[in-house]
Amino acid sequence: GAVVSQHPSWVICKSGTSVKIECRSLDFQATTMFWYRQFPKQSLMLMATSNEGSKATYEQGVEKDKFLINHASLTLSTLTVTSAHPEDSSFYICSVLRGGSANTGELFFGEGSRLTVL
Amino acid sequence: EDQVTQSPEALRLQEGESSSLNCSYTVSGLRGLFWYRQDPGKGPEFLFTLYSAGEEKEKERLKATLTKKESFLHITAPKPEDSATYLCAVQGGNNRKLIWGLGTSLAVNP
Repeated sequence: GAVVSQHPSWVICKSGTSVKIECRSLDFQATTMFWYRQFPKQSLMLMATSNEGSKATYEQGVEKDKFLINHASLTLSTLTVTSAHPEDSSFYICSVLRGGSANTGELFFGEGSRLTVL
Repeated sequence: EDQVTQSPEALRLQEGESSSLNCSYTVSGLRGLFWYRQDPGKGPEFLFTLYSAGEEKEKERLKATLTKKESFLHITAPKPEDSATYLCAVQGGNNRKLIWGLGTSLAVNP
């Protein structure tokens, strides 16, 4: 069964509105979650690392005021795309470290959330 | 600069026709090379980790191998359900961030 649950699977919104995406770790507590973005024909791009109880760490070029990340509990991280614009349309995927793995390359990914901004 | 290049970009096979996907990489101090499978509209699914040249891992019809410059994902007698995009990623010693390739889109025809 799924280890990481993401909601919603897809969302369509109007330009200028905000959209929240939830990522839940179902089987274990996750102090760290990762948010990725994937554009068609492009590689997965890490946006930010979400740390439970502290501020997220954003990758270079990712606007932290535009992509708000909250990791309020050990099983839930949220990504809010604020004042969304058509160029924010993408596939957003969260992930957690595989249980028992100290290697940050082994990840469980959520099902992804397809965002379309009109 | 750390880099991952996957080839071919797309591959179409007949059921039962074995083949290999390539992942070439340049990284300072390889910590690990990772293979994932991604179905359309889904998040990637972890397949293998390889740590050092000469290492091999197998899972059902898939076998991953590693040299100092590249990794191969061998698919033996593929079935239509093996159709997916296969992603390769590396993690270097200097920067633990994963570097992802663009993937190989595999289609297996019945």
